[in-house]
Amino acid sequence: GAVVSQHPSRVICKSGTSVKIECRSLDFQATTMFWYRQFPKQSLMLMATSNEGSKATYEQGVEKDKFLINHASLTLSTLTVTSAHPEDSSFYICSARGYGDPGSGANVLTFGAGSRLTVL
Amino acid sequence: RKEVEQDPGPFNVPEGATVAFNCTYSNSASQSFFWYRQDCRKEPKLLMSVYSSGNEDGRFTAQLNRASQYISLLIRDSKLSDSATYLCVVYNFNKFYFGSGTKLNVKP
Repeated sequence: GAVVSQHPSRVICKSGTSVKIECRSLDFQATTMFWYRQFPKQSLMLMATSNEGSKATYEQGVEKDKFLINHASLTLSTLTVTSAHPEDSSFYICSARGYGDPGSGANVLTFGAGSRLTVL
Repeated sequence: RKEVEQDPGPFNVPEGATVAFNCTYSNSASQSFFWYRQDCRKEPKLLMSVYSSGNEDGRFTAQLNRASQYISLLIRDSKLSDSATYLCVVYNFNKFYFGSGTKLNVKP
């Protein structure tokens, strides 16, 4: 099945630094990747939709200058949290749209393992 | 109104019990439906797609009711390992919408 690799799985950084998270589709091409954020005991929140070769589409309330997304190839999207602050501490998860099982006619989402960011 | 709504639970059931979750969605034009499972501090993983005719995978049965705009998941013979949060996901117009999840605790 489809595999999405996300790195790093855990990062601790000082306030004011920037952190880059990578998301790779390992055995399929992903023209679209999605970035989510999840705070403890809360649901997944879509941050942005990343499209290969074009600018990302950000959800309302998500600062595009703070959360830089680059989708330079069909297998790699990156999220950079710029000038991170403690309130940016969260679980960031990427996902890529692949193909569902035969007969479903549906695209399914495959998730990376997530990156837990702690900003001190 | 939220795109997808679920009862957050928790549902506390004994091993061997049958438990059912429902999920409602607001957009009647929604195209695809899924149930995902998320373990604590882990990423969501696809449990099963939901087909219009209903579908079964072992102890799990999913059904879709387009007229009433709800999706259900039935788990039979619950195992301790079924304890997790179950996320209802609806796809339409190039976006996946997540419910807030229903927490299931299966107890010995």
